[in-house]
Amino acid sequence: AQSVTQLGSHVSVSEGALVLLRCNYSSSVPPYLFWYVQYPNQGLQLLLKYTTGATLVKGINGFEAEFKKSETSFHLTKPSAHMSDAAEYFCAVSDPVNAGKSTFGDGTTLTVKP
Amino acid sequence: DADVTQTPRNRITKTGKRIMLECSQTKGHDRMYWYRQDPGLGLRLIYYSFDVKDINKGEISDGYSVSRQAQAKFSLSLESAIPNQTALYFCATSRDRGGYNEQFFGPGTRLTVL
Repeated sequence: AQSVTQLGSHVSVSEGALVLLRCNYSSSVPPYLFWYVQYPNQGLQLLLKYTTGATLVKGINGFEAEFKKSETSFHLTKPSAHMSDAAEYFCAVSDPVNAGKSTFGDGTTLTVKP
Repeated sequence: DADVTQTPRNRITKTGKRIMLECSQTKGHDRMYWYRQDPGLGLRLIYYSFDVKDINKGEISDGYSVSRQAQAKFSLSLESAIPNQTALYFCATSRDRGGYNEQFFGPGTRLTVL
């Protein structure tokens, strides 16, 4: 069975500081990994995804994530936080064994302080 | 125009009432999903559909039913609503069953059961 653990339900950073949101996964086969962002009163939208190939994945709004198989991790980073990055972030895993269904983490709320 | 739409956006109802939430998409995707979101619990899958004739239960299907009226339409029903079904409900679509394509989410329906 696949699962996702997001470490830290709330993360607070200052504007301009590094953003690091942690995600660890469990999957019986090579996984596909996703980060989604949810702004207030909106649905989720894709930030970035890893399927195959390069393990460092770049997404929208300056975010990137690195797939580390040995650590079963897919942490999300951004070098310099902006006020507009305040949102809830979800890590998700899917794989063909589970008919491509995605399992989502519990989410991490990012607060950006001025 | 939004690719995935949900109606209504907000609904307040009473215990025991039958409720239908509707989802329409213009993305031409075969796969559609219904999730519920509760604070701190991430997204949990209620039902999913690979095509009009293929509907499957997710991890929390008890108390819910669905109908896939057409490729573009996927409705979620609560036959007899109860207060612990108060949540934010999302419809999503994706392109294929391999799992390597992201999901596209609607804006959500906030349901309150009194």
